[in-house]
Amino acid sequence: DSGVTQTPKHLITATGQRVTLRCSPRSGDLSVYWYQQSLDQGLQFLIQYYNGEERAKGNILERFSAQQFPDLHSELNLSSLELGDSALYFCASSGTRLVGTGELFFGEGSRLTVL
Amino acid sequence: DQQVKQNSPSLSVQEGRISILNCDYTNSMFDYFLWYKKYPAEGPTFLISISSIKDKNEDGRFTVFLNKSAKHLSLHIVPSQPGDSAVYFCAASVKRSGGGADGLTFGKGTHLIIQP
Repeated sequence: DSGVTQTPKHLITATGQRVTLRCSPRSGDLSVYWYQQSLDQGLQFLIQYYNGEERAKGNILERFSAQQFPDLHSELNLSSLELGDSALYFCASSGTRLVGTGELFFGEGSRLTVL
Repeated sequence: DQQVKQNSPSLSVQEGRISILNCDYTNSMFDYFLWYKKYPAEGPTFLISISSIKDKNEDGRFTVFLNKSAKHLSLHIVPSQPGDSAVYFCAASVKRSGGGADGLTFGKGTHLIIQP
């Protein structure tokens, strides 16, 4: 158990809809990262938040947005969903004691299926 | 453009032999490299890492080698065990100032299959 909790574990929805994925980082971790893993693809970095502030952006679509709340949990919002958005979405967190090492602790992922 | 490349989608190794997983990178700013292991239906878990100031790091059966001039790293597992069957991701990061760990750039992964 990594200590990172993601909900829901599975989600099936239709094209054009909007969903919200939730992540609770490990206790005390200030950084939250979102990654997308599509079929036959590696983990694609979407966005990073550090202590409530957006810190880095990767290949995140404009239809997607995220935020980190004062209690440090994070939400990833996916809107106007398309079939190609079907993927496994991972949240990861990192601890301040690991500054510079890059080690991340991953949740089990939220599998999104768009029909 | 993929900055971290794992050119072997899968690798099959006999139990007890050595498994060697390879990874190449293109970004010369990367200064920290990590290997993650992923079982089905689980998130990736950290396995071993190496800083760019080193060329080797060993942890039990796992050793990571870094060749900076070739922009290449490899993960050696010896002896390979059935429980090592998983997808292995190579990842790299660039240090940042100001606190907080860095985001990671991942390769596409190599599916290691250990055969009895």
